[in-house]
Amino acid sequence: EAGVTQSPTHLIKTRGQQATLRCSPISGHTSVYWYQQALGLGLQFLLWYDEGEERNRGNFPPRFSGRQFPNYSSELNVNALELEDSALYLCASSLWDRGKETQYFGPGTRLLVL
Amino acid sequence: GESVGLHLPTLSVQEGDNSIINCAYSNSASDYFIWYKQESGKGPQFIIDIRSNMDKRQGQRVTVLLNKTVKHLSLQIAATQPGDSAVYFCAEMARGGSYIPTFGRGTSLIVHP
Repeated sequence: EAGVTQSPTHLIKTRGQQATLRCSPISGHTSVYWYQQALGLGLQFLLWYDEGEERNRGNFPPRFSGRQFPNYSSELNVNALELEDSALYLCASSLWDRGKETQYFGPGTRLLVL
Repeated sequence: GESVGLHLPTLSVQEGDNSIINCAYSNSASDYFIWYKQESGKGPQFIIDIRSNMDKRQGQRVTVLLNKTVKHLSLQIAATQPGDSAVYFCAEMARGGSYIPTFGRGTSLIVHP
């Protein structure tokens, strides 16, 4: 079974530009989560999508946005990039299983803002 | 908000030793806990989970212990191998809550051959 996939693996942008990151969940998973992992820090929750709807949002400015498509894949868009947006962006998908949710992560997209 | 933290940011062990990675949590409503392993340049990998109605769960070479009285979680790795070198995260979730896990900062495990 294929795992969560993310593209691109690396992305280099300059300040003020826009970045689009993509995620394909494990087949059968309907929930997609986005996290930011800055160097030396833990995972910070960004966004949660389920069945095409945004279910929850972390403490990030509105220039971080996304969407989920009918096939459950997802995009994360970051507008007006700032230097501190440089980080590893992780996508996870989940399967609701007997009252618990286990999130499975992709390899991440490393974003560098110059 | 409440958070999950780790006692030791770095743990160095010799190959073959047993490793214990600790995690404290503060949300008494949390009822589901997960340990992840993150190798350099990769995304976190699920290791083992435990629900709050259990105090111990075993996997292959790993055991998770949960002490709800003191809100403490630990991951024990038996016969640690160089391939176990990674950052380990604990995460907590509260059933009936947002279902967004809260992650600890992580502990770096270094295994010396």
